[in-house]
Amino acid sequence: GAGVSQSPSNKVTEKGKDVELRCDPISGHTALYWYRQSLGQGLEFLIYFQGNSAPDKSGLPSDRFSAERTGGSVSTLTIQRTQQEDSAVYLCASSARLAGNTGELFFGEGSRLTVL
Amino acid sequence: QQQVKQSPQSLIVQKGGISIINCAYENTAFDYFPWYQQFPGKGPALLIAIRPDVSEKKEGRFTISFNKSAKQFSLHIMDSQPGDSATYFCAANENNAGNMLTFGGGTRLMVKP
Repeated sequence: GAGVSQSPSNKVTEKGKDVELRCDPISGHTALYWYRQSLGQGLEFLIYFQGNSAPDKSGLPSDRFSAERTGGSVSTLTIQRTQQEDSAVYLCASSARLAGNTGELFFGEGSRLTVL
Repeated sequence: QQQVKQSPQSLIVQKGGISIINCAYENTAFDYFPWYQQFPGKGPALLIAIRPDVSEKKEGRFTISFNKSAKQFSLHIMDSQPGDSATYFCAANENNAGNMLTFGGGTRLMVKP
């Protein structure tokens, strides 16, 4: 598959449990982003990885959220001690590093997280 | 702080009509304005984009109008079709911010047959 792949597509967990969401970007894309989309809401930026640079974590809502990107490819978003307000669709996107920003992000289909 | 404000939140249009979605921004450093289309259960996908050196860009039935002085831009969908029913997001990108986008709140469009 040539697109961005996310897993799991759906995750139901109990409050207080930790969850890991995985993103496999398009091969060769150096930039990777995580966004959160709550029901009926817009896209909230969480974190951004660009090549070997330090990630931009400015959008992470609390220290319960963390993300890593191994080998410049696959990324994992971890939410510790989940709360009900963490319920949302978590979207991953990747983009190629292009001269002059085109802004074109390629999104996966998302991981829907439900915290009971 | 919402840097890109989008309206309306929802829109119902008859088949063949014109759908208009508006966005306003505050950050004058924004220099790239894409629109994304999202179907249920799917991730958003780039639809059309504009840079501030032009006032209008048209691709098929989709047109972006851009007003730099007013810091506003809009998406017009001509001859709207039921297959256009989706959620539309405007976005903006600031130079030197990589490809990181700031998104508007989204507009849920329904085109009635």
